[in-house]
Amino acid sequence: DVKVTQSSRYLVKRTGEKVFLECVQDMDHENMFWYRQDPGLGLRLIYFSYDVKMKEKGDIPEGYSVSREKKERFSLILESASTNQTSMYLCASRGTGGSYEQYFGPGTRLTVT
Amino acid sequence: QKEVEQNSGPLSVPEGAIASLNCTYSDRGSQSFFWYRQYSGKSPELIMFIYSNGDKEDGRFTAQLNKASQYVSLLIRDSQPSDSATYLCAVIPSGTYKYIFGTGTRLKVLA
Repeated sequence: DVKVTQSSRYLVKRTGEKVFLECVQDMDHENMFWYRQDPGLGLRLIYFSYDVKMKEKGDIPEGYSVSREKKERFSLILESASTNQTSMYLCASRGTGGSYEQYFGPGTRLTVT
Repeated sequence: QKEVEQNSGPLSVPEGAIASLNCTYSDRGSQSFFWYRQYSGKSPELIMFIYSNGDKEDGRFTAQLNKASQYVSLLIRDSQPSDSATYLCAVIPSGTYKYIFGTGTRLKVLA
């Protein structure tokens, strides 16, 4: 079974803090994704990584950066947290080679006060 | 704009009935289609994927794909109260790696 884990289920941070969200997958997947999910807006892609040290912006990258130093780990960084970044953050991973199934981690509910 | 559309619901069905969830997509070249189940407060869980026209069955779930009409359906047979959740449809349009998600259909199975 694919396993994607995220560092925290719930997180409360103050405005202006630097926030790190970590994601680890154990299936040797090349592709990893960060989404946020908000009521009424659905799932929105923040960043995508297709290999170690490789990344691409998704639909809403502003205010976020990412890091992928090892294949199994993909980190999302909020450089200076703001209240409009309060959301559910979901990490996902996916293999290549004709298999396009994407698996999600349990999510991190981030509240910025 | 490549879109995926779903009726937000709620779709209410009695226990034991067949629940039918529908999804339409705008990009005719889309090749890969997925159904996720998401319980309140939890992350999406992949339950079905389909890449070819026709039906694909897995237990109580059947995914149906009709590329000519640009829709994909999920049938849940013998619905149970534990199937009550939001079901997300996702599509990979042509020329992209990205999933495009619908906003989901909320299903309620009434005991």
